[in-house]
Amino acid sequence: GENVEQHPSTLSVQEGDSAVIKCTYSDSASNYFPWYKQELGKRPQLIIDIRSNVGEKKDQRIAVTLNKTAKHFSLHITETQPEDSAVYFCHSYSSASKIIFGSGTRLSIRP
Amino acid sequence: DGGITQSPKYLFRKEGQNVTLSCEQNLNHDAMYWYRQDPGQGLRLIYYSQIVNDFQKGDIAEGYSVSREKKESFPLTVTSAQKNPTAFYLCASNRAGRGRETQYFGPGTRLLVL
Repeated sequence: GENVEQHPSTLSVQEGDSAVIKCTYSDSASNYFPWYKQELGKRPQLIIDIRSNVGEKKDQRIAVTLNKTAKHFSLHITETQPEDSAVYFCHSYSSASKIIFGSGTRLSIRP
Repeated sequence: DGGITQSPKYLFRKEGQNVTLSCEQNLNHDAMYWYRQDPGQGLRLIYYSQIVNDFQKGDIAEGYSVSREKKESFPLTVTSAQKNPTAFYLCASNRAGRGRETQYFGPGTRLLVL
């Protein structure tokens, strides 16, 4: 069936290093690819998104890349800082426009 | 952070009781969603609605019910049939009825069973 696979489920990086999280989707009609950040006890909030007419989008230390042929998109965080510690989610859509979230990645930044 | 509100922040349910979680938005969004989040887990879709007076089951609808009588409101009832309701409940909305836009989340309601 239609699903979204997100990897890794947990990621620990040294402060200042880069982090990469990947989502693979199945609905070839998907044209919107967002990433959300959820801090402990709070609501998820959009941090960056990309549409299918571009391959990469950058906003300061974060970037999203899209490979429509391979049906995956990735979140890149450079020069990681302690405040980047959170859970990150991607989502895609089914053919019925039902939203399907990835299972989440818990990112920890080591001092 | 404004635009979509949920109440109450904490809710306690007794055995056999139905409880209703409120979700209101003033963003003029067509689509609204309810998710359940268990500790350390992801977001699971309970119900969603793309237009007033219409809604669809998500992946874990059993034991829950919803209504969408107004564009601004999408209340969720956790019925006594839901045997393990303790979780963090998030409401969300987005602009396009087809669901291909950014999701805006409310602050959430924590439901605990007494």
